[in-house]
Amino acid sequence: EDQVTQSPEALRLQEGESSSLNCSYTVSGLRGLFWYRQDPGKGPEFLFTLYSAGEEKEKERLKATLTKKESFLHITAPKPEDSATYLCAVQAGFRGGSQGNLIFGKGTKLSVKP
Amino acid sequence: DAGVIQSPRHEVTEMGQEVTLRCKPISGHNSLFWYRQTMMRGLELLIYFNNNVPIDDSGMPEDRFSAKMPNASFSTLKIQPSEPRDSAVYFCASTPRAGGLLLHEQYFGPGTRLTVT
Repeated sequence: EDQVTQSPEALRLQEGESSSLNCSYTVSGLRGLFWYRQDPGKGPEFLFTLYSAGEEKEKERLKATLTKKESFLHITAPKPEDSATYLCAVQAGFRGGSQGNLIFGKGTKLSVKP
Repeated sequence: DAGVIQSPRHEVTEMGQEVTLRCKPISGHNSLFWYRQTMMRGLELLIYFNNNVPIDDSGMPEDRFSAKMPNASFSTLKIQPSEPRDSAVYFCASTPRAGGLLLHEQYFGPGTRLTVT
């Protein structure tokens, strides 16, 4: 069964304290891995798509990396405005009538204190 | 662009009542997705449309749920009759489909928070 597991469930950092969030997955034929940010009371906001192992993407203080089994979202020198829940999702290979829809992890809730 | 628009933002109803959630995708996007988010199960895909045609409804929990997309700018998700376990946040998302079978980034609406008492 396709699965996406994110860790830790919650992470508290001091402003400027760099860290990483983990997304491990077991899917039949990964087609793409997505990172989203979700603020309270809002819909998820797209951050990155990674398609193959070894690929990296960066945006401001965020950097996403991908291996064959997991993805990391590295946060460098975070600021309080980076506080949010970060969601990881994978698109698996197609099977039967499925179009290989997105399977989401439950997210990591990040809190950055000033 | 106004982004994906959902209405209502909040809905409180009694068990057994019919609930209709509405979504207007971003203009020019021809794929539309309905998701449900709960603390226990996270974000789950219910159904998705491509060019107004339902492609995969395997996530629809049971026959009480139905979704339609009568045109490219409007979709509804209906629950009849509603039950307390349907309480969740329901999101609509849209994406441009540039061809092929890879999914592209999805743009989510603000969600509808449904409470069934």
